[in-house]
Parts: sequence; structure tokens; C-alpha cells
Amino acid sequence: EPEVTQTPSHQVTQMGQEVILRCVPISNHLYFYWYRQILGQKVEFLVSFYNNEISEKSEIFDDQFSVERPDGSNFTLKIRSTKLEDSAMYFCASSGGVGHSPLHFGNGTRLTVT
Amino acid sequence: GIQVEQSPPDLILQEGANSTLRCNFSDSVNNLQWFHQNPWGQLINLFYIPSGTKQNGRLSATTVATERYSLLYISSSQTTDSGVYFCAVGASSGSARQLTFGSGTQLTVLP
Repeated sequence: EPEVTQTPSHQVTQMGQEVILRCVPISNHLYFYWYRQILGQKVEFLVSFYNNEISEKSEIFDDQFSVERPDGSNFTLKIRSTKLEDSAMYFCASSGGVGHSPLHFGNGTRLTVT
Repeated sequence: GIQVEQSPPDLILQEGANSTLRCNFSDSVNNLQWFHQNPWGQLINLFYIPSGTKQNGRLSATTVATERYSLLYISSSQTTDSGVYFCAVGASSGSARQLTFGSGTQLTVLP
């Protein structure tokens, strides 16, 4: 069964550094998403992406965040200048194009900002 | 936006017991998914169930969309069922397709 893959599985970075989290969505999917989960809390929506542009974003997704689909397979989340409160699990997801369909989630990247 | 409430927040069971987890939502939905978050933090998709009933082994789920709730049933629970169970919904209104997650039910199954 096709999967969403995320790399790296863990990343440790220092406050103020830029990080890029990478995702390879399922190949025939058209909608892409990033979510985050701060330890012990619920999963929160960050951004959705369709047709090479952001379709929805939450209040969390401020100017420090950006997303990109640099080629036909990768989908990335960049945090420009990390803060301690950016420490969280980041999940990538994708869904198909026709009608409504389930979201498929990757295994997540655990980001620790020190 | 749509509100999602899960109950109970915590549940402790003996191995072999049955349980029912509930998810209430505040608006019409076109997507509803149940997930199990394992101890490594991975979200395991259990069911895609915007309406109706589905079964997969010891787990089953029912969504009554007109009454805005969904139930997840776990029968003959095992210690490996422990973890957090999340309900997530996609609202019918507007064009957005993202899911809104509930706060989860923390299930602990004791040997």
C-alpha cells in the first residue's frame, strides 16, 4: 500500500536556525497538508496545499513558516528561525483529488529546538 | 470552525474488556477518520467513516452523521491497544478539506 514518507524522523536544532522538513506524498494525490502536535496535546492543522499554492492556513502558520513543492514528488515545510515553542511532532499528509477522500499521514518528524 | 469533542478523556481497562469511545462534532461533515497514536507517536489510520458502520477485526466504528456523532468500539482489548485514540473530522461547509482533531481518548489496557 502506498505510504507518505517523512524525513528526517528526528531533528534537533538550535534556536534561531532554519529547518526544512521533507515529505513525499502518495504519488497520485493532489492535496497536501502539514500538521503539528506539541507533546501531550492534540494534533493541529497548519496548512493545506493544492495546485501549487496554499489553499488554507491556520493562525499558527505565520511568516516564519513556508511550504514548497520543489518538484513532482517532494513537499517541504520550512521554519525560518526556530523558537523553543516550535518543538513538536510535525506530520505531513496527503489526500486524493476526486470527491472527498481520507487523509493519509506520514510517521512524523520530531523536532526539538534547544 | 467545527468543534470536536471526545469522551472519555481517559479510560483504563483490564485486558479482555470491551470499550466504547465517543466523538461528537458541531457541524455537518464530509470526512471522519479514527486514528490510534502509538507509543512512538505515529498516527495509525483505523477507519475512514463519514457515515455508516465498518468493522476491522476487533474494532468497529459507527457514524451517525445526522446526529453528529461517531463511536469506536474495541472488543476483547489487548495491551497493544493502549495509546491515544483521535477522532478527526472534515467540515462540509466551505471548500476546505483539512481535518480538525479532537483532544483524544487516552486508553490504557492493563494485563
